[in-house]
Amino acid sequence: DQQVKQNSPSLSVQEGRISILNCDYTNSMFDYFLWYKKYPAEGPTFLISISSIKDKNEDGRFTVFLNKSAKHLSLHIVPSQPGDSAVYFCAASDYYGGATNKLIFGTGTLLAVQP
Amino acid sequence: DAGITQSPRHKVTETGTPVTLRCHQTENHRYMYWYRQDPGHGLRLIHYSYGVKDTDKGEVSDGYSVSRSKTEDFLLTLESATSSQTSVYFCAITDGRVEQYFGPGTRLTVT
Repeated sequence: DQQVKQNSPSLSVQEGRISILNCDYTNSMFDYFLWYKKYPAEGPTFLISISSIKDKNEDGRFTVFLNKSAKHLSLHIVPSQPGDSAVYFCAASDYYGGATNKLIFGTGTLLAVQP
Repeated sequence: DAGITQSPRHKVTETGTPVTLRCHQTENHRYMYWYRQDPGHGLRLIHYSYGVKDTDKGEVSDGYSVSRSKTEDFLLTLESATSSQTSVYFCAITDGRVEQYFGPGTRLTVT
C-alpha cells in the first residue's frame, strides 16, 4: 500500500517556465512533508519542507503548497532552469507523533528542463 | 554538506555470499537510516538506528541485519545475498530534525 504517491513518472518543461510536481498521500497522521532532489549517481538532497500547520512555504524559486483536505501537496519551481533537471521525491513523516523521524517516500518524478 | 560517507561505492557479488555495507558520519547525529532505491519504488526504509546499539526494522527488512556499535558507524549486512537485493543503497542521518541528509550511495549487484 503506497502511502505517498507521485503519479507522474516524468515531466518536461521549457527553461524559464513553471514546473509543477505533484504528490498525494493517504495517511492522515502525516504532519510534515519534504521534497528531495536527486541527480544521477548522487544521494538525494533536501530541498524544502512544510509542516501541516502551514499551507505554503517558499524558498527562493521553490514553493511548496499543502492542501490537507485533499491530502495533496505540490512543488512549484519558477523559473525553471536546466540545472533543475533531476528526479524529485516527495516524502512524508508522522514527525510530531512519532519518535524515530521515519520518512515515507514517493516513487519520484523525473523533471527535464529543456533549454 | 553533512559528513556522510558510504563504502564501498560499488560492489558486485555472487548469490549466497555475505555482504556488509558501511555508513560513516562525522556529524555525531543520533539517528541513522538505511534505504534502498529501486525503479518504481522510490526509496524504501530497510532499518534504522536511534542510538548506539538501538536499532529497529523498516519497511523492507527481510534478508538484512544492522549493527551500530559506535555513534559514527552504521553497518548493513546481507547475510546471504540474493538477486532481488541488487539495488542502490543509501544511508541517511539526522540529529532529530525531520530533514534527513543522505550519503552518496552504494550500488550493489548480486549475480
